[in-house]
This record gives sequence, structure tokens and C-alpha cells, in this order.
Amino acid sequence: DVKVTQSSRYLVKRTGEKVFLECVQDMDHENMFWYRQDPGLGLRLIYFSYDVKMKEKGDIPEGYSVSREKKERFSLILESASTNQTSMYLCASSGQGGQEKLFFGSGTQLSVL
Amino acid sequence: AQSVAQPEDQVNVAEGNPLTVKCTYSVSGNPYLFWYVQYPNRGLQFLLKYITGDNLVKGSYGFEAEFNKSQTSFHLKKPSALVSDSALYFCAVRDILRNAGNMLTFGGGTRLMVKP
Repeated sequence: DVKVTQSSRYLVKRTGEKVFLECVQDMDHENMFWYRQDPGLGLRLIYFSYDVKMKEKGDIPEGYSVSREKKERFSLILESASTNQTSMYLCASSGQGGQEKLFFGSGTQLSVL
Repeated sequence: AQSVAQPEDQVNVAEGNPLTVKCTYSVSGNPYLFWYVQYPNRGLQFLLKYITGDNLVKGSYGFEAEFNKSQTSFHLKKPSALVSDSALYFCAVRDILRNAGNMLTFGGGTRLMVKP
């Protein structure tokens, strides 16, 4: 089975801290994504990557950056965490092609105090 | 721009009754449409997709969805609901204007509650 693993299930950070969320997939997928999930707003795309060292902004990239140094790993970075970044963060991966489905990790619930 | 609307925050249905979770979309050109389900404390799981062809698409766990181009809808259905179907359901459309990857635009989600 395809596995997308997010390093932390729950995370509590202080305002202003630098936060790293890690995601690893084991299916040699080209595409990887970071979404945040908020009640009533569904999933909103933060960043995605279609190849190593390649990245593109999604719908809400402000306050975030990403890193993809290896094909299997995609990191989301909050340079200076703020309380409005408290959310559920979901990583996903997929193969190439518009018909491909996304495989999701279990999510990281981040609380910024 | 493309968007997805799920007009109901919650749908309540009795076990054994048919269920429908509604979804409408707006895209340029032809859509790729998806349904995902999220069980408590889990990531999203793929249910089914419409790419082309037959308007009635069958998916996992007995779910199906009907693509209606004239109404720009892609409603999720099941003939007989189970308590275990209680979860959060997301409709999504592929962003065909973007060139890279397989980005999906998601709706706000609908919580399905199936009561015994």
C-alpha cells in the first residue's frame, strides 16, 4: 500500500517559533502537496512540488515556505509561527497526470500559542 | 478560476435509507471530479472519480456519483447507508488551468451522520 507519513500527529508551538512539518512518501511519486484544513473552509493548497527542488505556490502561501531536496520528502516551514496558523496540515502525493488520485497522510494538528 | 461548492454542512440519514451528498462545480473546459472521505483522526481517502465516459461512476464502499454537465453537479450517492459511513466527505475538481502537477480544488466538506 502507498504510504504518506507525516512526522508528527500533534504539535504545540509558541508564536514566533520556526516550525518544520515533514512528509515522506514511499511510492516514488513526482507530485507532493501541502494543504491546510479548517472547519467550513475545506482543504486549501499551500504549496506543491512536481519534482525535486521544484515548487509552486498554491492558494495560501503567505507565511509558509517549502523544501524538496529528495523526491520522497517534502517539508513545510513556518518561518515565524502565528496563532492564525493553528490548523490541521495535510500532506499528499500523486503520480503524474490529471487523472491521478491523491494519497494523503494522517495529518498534523498544529497549535500555535 | 475553478471552484467547488458543497451546500450542506451536514447531512443526517437513518441507517438503511439512501443518502445523497451534494456537490456543484465551476471550471473552464472539462472537469475532472473526485470524492474523498475523511474518517475521524485520519487523512483523506479516495472514493471515486469522474474523468470521461459514463456519467454514473462507481467507487469504494458501495458509493457512486452522478456527473451532470448541464447542472454542473457531481452528487455522491449510496442506496443504503451504514452507520460506518458517518464521516466527512469532500468533493474536489482538478484545476485544468494550471500546467503542473495534479492540483485539486476542494469543497468545504459535508459531514454525514448515519443514525441507527
